[in-house]
Amino acid sequence: DVKVTQSSRYLVKRTGEKVFLECVQDMDHENMFWYRQDPGLGLRLIYFSYDVKMKEKGDIPEGYSVSREKKERFSLILESASTNQTSMYLCASSLWGQGQDTQYFGPGTRLTVL
Amino acid sequence: AQTVTQSQPEMSVQEAETVTLSCTYDTSESDYYLFWYKQPPSRQMILVIRQEAYKQQNATENRFSVNFQKAAKSFSLKISDSQLGDAAMYFCAYRSAYYTGTASKLTFGTGTRLQVTL
Repeated sequence: DVKVTQSSRYLVKRTGEKVFLECVQDMDHENMFWYRQDPGLGLRLIYFSYDVKMKEKGDIPEGYSVSREKKERFSLILESASTNQTSMYLCASSLWGQGQDTQYFGPGTRLTVL
Repeated sequence: AQTVTQSQPEMSVQEAETVTLSCTYDTSESDYYLFWYKQPPSRQMILVIRQEAYKQQNATENRFSVNFQKAAKSFSLKISDSQLGDAAMYFCAYRSAYYTGTASKLTFGTGTRLQVTL
């Protein structure tokens, strides 16, 4: 089974802190994604990576950056956390190619910024 | 840009009964994929069912089936013989069939919370 893990289930940070959320997948997937999930808004894509060191902005990249130095690991960085970044963050991965589009999700990190 | 709409924020069904969750989408593309994902309380989101737009036959997975109406841009999920374990948030999602950059992203609806009662 595909396994996607995230470094923390719950995280509490203060405004202005630099925050790292890490995601690791164990199935050699090329694609990795970071979403944030908010009530009434569904899931919105923050960033996407289709290969090591390759990234693309999603729908809401402002205030976030990402890093993918190894294929299995995709990090989301909040350079200076703000209260409006309090949310559930979901990581996902998938294979690249025709028909290989099922995304496998991690358990999520619930981030609270005080 | 594609949009996905789930107009039912909450639904309730009795155990062993059938429930249908609605989803509509808007796209100008002719080739795409549609998905239903399930997110149980405090658990990971998992894929329930997947439909390829060029296939006219509706997808089924055990007790889960879809009613895909391409012309109407409608993609509803039917859960038969509902079980307590079906209680979850259900998300409808759209994915372009093209494989470049964020074209391969999923666009999600806002979700429908399904309660299953005894």
